[in-house]
Amino acid sequence: DQQVKQNSPSLSVQEGRISILNCDYTNSMFDYFLWYKKYPAEGPTFLISISSIKDKNEDGRFTVFLNKSAKHLSLHIVPSQPGDSAVYFCAASPPRNAGNMLTFGGGTRLMVKP
Amino acid sequence: NAGVMQNPRHLVRRRGQEARLRCSPVKGHSHVYWYRQLPEEGLKFMVYLQKENIIDESGMPKERFSAEFPKEGPSILRIQQVVRGDSAAYFCASSPRKGGGTDTQYFGPGTRLTVL
Repeated sequence: DQQVKQNSPSLSVQEGRISILNCDYTNSMFDYFLWYKKYPAEGPTFLISISSIKDKNEDGRFTVFLNKSAKHLSLHIVPSQPGDSAVYFCAASPPRNAGNMLTFGGGTRLMVKP
Repeated sequence: NAGVMQNPRHLVRRRGQEARLRCSPVKGHSHVYWYRQLPEEGLKFMVYLQKENIIDESGMPKERFSAEFPKEGPSILRIQQVVRGDSAAYFCASSPRKGGGTDTQYFGPGTRLTVL
């Protein structure tokens, strides 16, 4: 029972263009969402997050959009750079009083071509 | 760099041996989480600890796995009598207070366990 899904295992984008990574969730109790970036043989690195009370959060080249009614979030990277090539995980968290674990999607491997 | 530290980075064990994985959280963080990543999968939550307390172990296998976070020293994830299916990357994360809401969990580099 996957509560957080990333349906695209991989994505290839040309340098300078936009990368759009998608994530769907099923548990309406989730109220905080995060994106992590992971290089091989390293731990996940926090990128950006969004609370369920917002529909957009922007940080430099990274923007996360949340559509609560569709239970969908996306990460936009503009412009994409070769150094962005990594596996991207979305994760979801329940409210503070309902647990502390992050539930992760299966990841999307992004390849940015020079 | 005062990030999350994990050791060893790589651990090889034979079936039936014990594996001990250590995690030192970010200085000042009192909440530790362990996650496991099997090959080609996402990370799965195992356990959440505060100093001297297990808060949530709903993701831990019922047998052979245990975790602690003593008053002094690192958090330890212990796997007894390892089997080949335990081969995975084990990640530790820490946060300054309870996760969820605006608290972000910061991850260590992981320990890659290989069971022969």
